[in-house]
Amino acid sequence: KAGVTQTPRYLIKTRGQQVTLSCSPISGHRSVSWYQQTPGQGLQFLFEYFSETQRNKGNFPGRFSGRQFSNSRSEMNVSTLELGDSALYLCASSGTGNNEQFFGPGTRLTVL
Amino acid sequence: GQQVMQIPQYQHVQEGEDFTTYCNSSTTLSNIQWYKQRPGGHPVFLIQLVKSGEVKKQKRLTFQFGEAKKNSSLHITATQTTDVGTYFCAGRSGTASKLTFGTGTRLQVTL
Repeated sequence: KAGVTQTPRYLIKTRGQQVTLSCSPISGHRSVSWYQQTPGQGLQFLFEYFSETQRNKGNFPGRFSGRQFSNSRSEMNVSTLELGDSALYLCASSGTGNNEQFFGPGTRLTVL
Repeated sequence: GQQVMQIPQYQHVQEGEDFTTYCNSSTTLSNIQWYKQRPGGHPVFLIQLVKSGEVKKQKRLTFQFGEAKKNSSLHITATQTTDVGTYFCAGRSGTASKLTFGTGTRLQVTL
């Protein structure tokens, strides 16, 4: 089985721009969660999608949004980028969301 | 909201020494998972504990879930350089599917 894939792997943007990150879960997995990882804040939960519906949401501003498609692929969007948004964005998939999570390699976003 | 803290934040050991990281939740957990992230890598699932007082072993790794289901620990016996990485606990409360990750413990092992 192919693992979780994320594109792009690296991204450089400037303040004020917007960005869209993509995640393809393991085949058959319906739950996709997104996390932001920074050295200072650790792994912070952004949101979880299950069968195209947002099931959980973390404490991030409305600039962070996401969606899930019928094939379970997910995208997250960050608008009006700030310097503090520089981070590794990790996507994780699981079968139902209540068992182990399989992480993708992440997208390293740098905001200049 | 739920908070999950881990101690220590960082530990440096000589190869062959033991290592323990502790995880404490502000709320009672329905289950707890442990993940390992190698430098430059992504978190990889190690194990899930569900029952109060549960103890599970994986070779040199021993995982324990507290009786009150608010804390957990990971103990590594006779560390090896391959154990280097950051260990995260992650817990769920009630029937929620949201996983809250701990702050992580970074382990460095030298010869």
